[in-house]
Parts: sequence; C-alpha cells; structure tokens
Amino acid sequence: AQSVTQLGSHVSVSEGALVLLRCNYSSSVPPYLFWYVQYPNQGLQLLLKYTSAATLVKGINGFEAEFKKSETSFHLTKPSAHMSDAAEYFCAVSEIKAAGNKLTFGGGTRVLVKP
Amino acid sequence: GAGVSQSPRYKVAKRGQDVALRCDPISGHVSLFWYQQALGQGPEFLTYFQNEAQLDKSGLPSDRFFAERPEGSVSTLKIQRTQQEDSAVYLCASSLAQNTGELFFGEGSRLTVL
Repeated sequence: AQSVTQLGSHVSVSEGALVLLRCNYSSSVPPYLFWYVQYPNQGLQLLLKYTSAATLVKGINGFEAEFKKSETSFHLTKPSAHMSDAAEYFCAVSEIKAAGNKLTFGGGTRVLVKP
Repeated sequence: GAGVSQSPRYKVAKRGQDVALRCDPISGHVSLFWYQQALGQGPEFLTYFQNEAQLDKSGLPSDRFFAERPEGSVSTLKIQRTQQEDSAVYLCASSLAQNTGELFFGEGSRLTVL
C-alpha cells in the first residue's frame, strides 16, 4: 500500500524567503511522485512530477523538487517566495497498475506568504 | 471544453436526499477519476473509469455511492440517502491515457448535507 506524509499542515514564509515543503512517501514499488497546488475555489494544478528520469525535477512558477530514494522523500522548494504562492500544496504518489494510475495524496500544506 | 467541468459547484442537501454530481472531462481523455476531499484533508480516491468501464471502485465508502460513465465521456457520481459525513468537495479528474500519472482536475462540487 502507498502512503504520503506531508510534515506541517501550515507553513508561513516571508516574501522573498525560501519555501520548503516536506513530503515523505511509502511505496512497495518504484513510485511516480507529484506535487499539485490548489488555489482557493479552484481545482488542483500540477506543479511538477517525477517519473524515474532525473531526480531533480523543475516545475512551473519556479518550484523544484528532488527525489531521494534513500530518504523516501520528495521535498518541494522555491528559492524566493512570492505573494502569489499562497495556496495549498499536495504531494501525491502513484503506483502504476494495469488498471491505471491511482494517486494517493498527502494531507496538504497550506502556505501563507507574509509581505 | 478546455478543462474538466463539474456541476453543480455547490449543492446543499437535506439528510436522506439523493444527489447527483456531474463531470464533463477533457475531450478525448480516456481515464476519469472521482476523489472526495473532506475539509482540511487531501483528496481521497473513490473510483476510476477507463472509457465506460469502471475498473476500480475500491474507494467508494458505502453502497450508497454509485458512479457511472455510460458512453465513456460524461460521468455522474450519485449518492443515495445522503448523510452528514458525506459533506465534502467531490473532485473529478481526467487523463489522456493510463500510466502517464498526470491528472487534470475540475474545480469540484461542494456538497453540504444538513
């Protein structure tokens, strides 16, 4: 069975500061890993994904994440926070099966950006 | 349409009522997923279709929940005899093909059961 743990349900950062959102996963097979962002009253949007190619993945809006198998982690970072980064972020793991992907999500981390 | 469309966006039901939530996926997307997102939590898988076939319904919480996609396009999630614990946002997502992993989500249908 797969699972995802996101450390910290809320993170507060100052504008211009580093954003670091932590994600650890559990999977019995090599996983595909994803970060999604959800703005208020909107659907989830894909930020980036890891699908067994490069371990450092770059996504939209300046975000990137590094897959570390030894640590079973896929932490999300952005060097300099912008006010528009205020949203909820979800880490997800997918185990490829014949019946298709089924994403298992973490509980989410809400990011507040202070001016 | 350009994206996944869900209706209604908001639904208030009295306990015991039946509700139907509609999802119109991106044109040509083979795979369709339903997720339930309770307040303050991450989305939880309910069911999955590949074209008209429902290949996985392991996440449906009870037999009051039923989903269909009869022509392999629009899908309906039906909840019978709604209960307060059914209050959540119901998210629909579609993807072009299996095994790519990337899902495209609608804005969700927020169900409140009084």
